[in-house]
Amino acid sequence: DTGVSQNPRHKITKRGQNVTFRCDPISEHNRLYWYRQTLGQGPEFLTYFQNEAQLEKSRLLSDRFSAERPKGSFSTLEIQRTEQGDSAMYLCASSVIVGATGELFFGEGSRLTVL
Amino acid sequence: AQSVTQPDIHITVSEGASLELRCNYSYGATPYLFWYVQSPGQGLQLLLKYFSGDTLVQGIKGFEAEFKRSQSSFNLRKPSVHWSDAAEYFCALNYGGSQGNLIFGKGTKLSVKP
Repeated sequence: DTGVSQNPRHKITKRGQNVTFRCDPISEHNRLYWYRQTLGQGPEFLTYFQNEAQLEKSRLLSDRFSAERPKGSFSTLEIQRTEQGDSAMYLCASSVIVGATGELFFGEGSRLTVL
Repeated sequence: AQSVTQPDIHITVSEGASLELRCNYSYGATPYLFWYVQSPGQGLQLLLKYFSGDTLVQGIKGFEAEFKRSQSSFNLRKPSVHWSDAAEYFCALNYGGSQGNLIFGKGTKLSVKP
């Protein structure tokens, strides 16, 4: 069990640039989630996938954000035309469906700083 | 609407002292409740979870939590805190039962005095 892996761990970018984060879930997990965590706050749900289907998106996920999970394996989260308000930790999590207890397994996160 | 409230933003305890972190939730059905811990710059690690059965649940690192439906609470406790317990603690509710998404409280930062 290698756990949930996220890359890059840190990203510094200038306002207006595009950034992409990658998440590799635990291999047998069907569900994959993206959360955003800003300083002093708990993680906030952005979106989740069941296999390759994106089943739910939060209102926090503006048009500049897009997430994909081709082939139901890894996922990418792209932010276009970044703004300073996008600076946050982006957390990925995965879980099973069959036998689920509601527990999500989190990666270590990708920290974004927009200058 | 479902929500999770952690009333204490920051708590400081002495090493060896007991600890209780408060969590209150709002949800119309039987909740699935979790406590996660986050060390600086790290992801979230599950401490314990409740979804049915015994209302006192045991977790890792000597933590336990008690579910009280009448008070809509799920407080985290530890009888004797260690310096390594200094971290941020998040209470979370799964509003879809076993198949849904987590809503987190804002967290309680724990500092431990030597």
